Amino acid sequence: EVQLVESGGALVQPGGSLRLSCAASGFTVSGHHMIWVRQAPGKGLDWVSVIYGGANTNYGDSVKGRFTISRDRSKNTLYLQMNSLRPEDTAVYYCARRGIAADDWFDRWGQGTLVIVSS
Amino acid sequence: DIQMTQSPSSVSASVGDRVTITCRASQDISRWLAWYQQKPGQAPKLLIYPASTLQRGVPSRFSGSGSGTDFTLTISSLQPEDFATYYCQQANGFRYTFGQGTKLEIK
Repeated sequence: EVQLVESGGALVQPGGSLRLSCAASGFTVSGHHMIWVRQAPGKGLDWVSVIYGGANTNYGDSVKGRFTISRDRSKNTLYLQMNSLRPEDTAVYYCARRGIAADDWFDRWGQGTLVIVSS
Repeated sequence: DIQMTQSPSSVSASVGDRVTITCRASQDISRWLAWYQQKPGQAPKLLIYPASTLQRGVPSRFSGSGSGTDFTLTISSLQPEDFATYYCQQANGFRYTFGQGTKLEIK
């Protein structure tokens, strides 16, 4: 069964760092485009980052230069390293998988992990 | 980044009604658009991609259309479980921005 489980969310002070993990089962993360999406309390969905192909990456404008997406084939896990955190980064962070066909989309999502940036 | 604008931001409707939500892209994205449904406390659920293909298991009362910059999601006969927030997402150049969402509420 395909499953994604996020972890690593916590309360962190402004300027701090955090690494989120997204453990996959039922498929290999290295074979799929993977994204991080966040949702601030009471707000809409905000695309954060994507990793695709070998190690190609893209980032949303609000996190570029502060966040880094990566994946570990041996652990079958996706990561999001978040540095220089700001209060506006407070959100539930979701990981998601894109299917392998050319027309496929992000059909599997984790349950999310909450990040709170506050002093 | 390409901006995605959904309308309306919210809509009230009754069970059995037909509802249409629109999504406009700030530039041509061909057919690279998906629709999601999200209920409170849950992850988004993929409904339709790209533009018009129904995801497996999604009821046929949901349909999508459009290409270029203008897209629509239609629910032909609302059921109680359809009251949720709906988002469009574009995929141009490996950047995946979302619309701001449309909240579908019970009248």
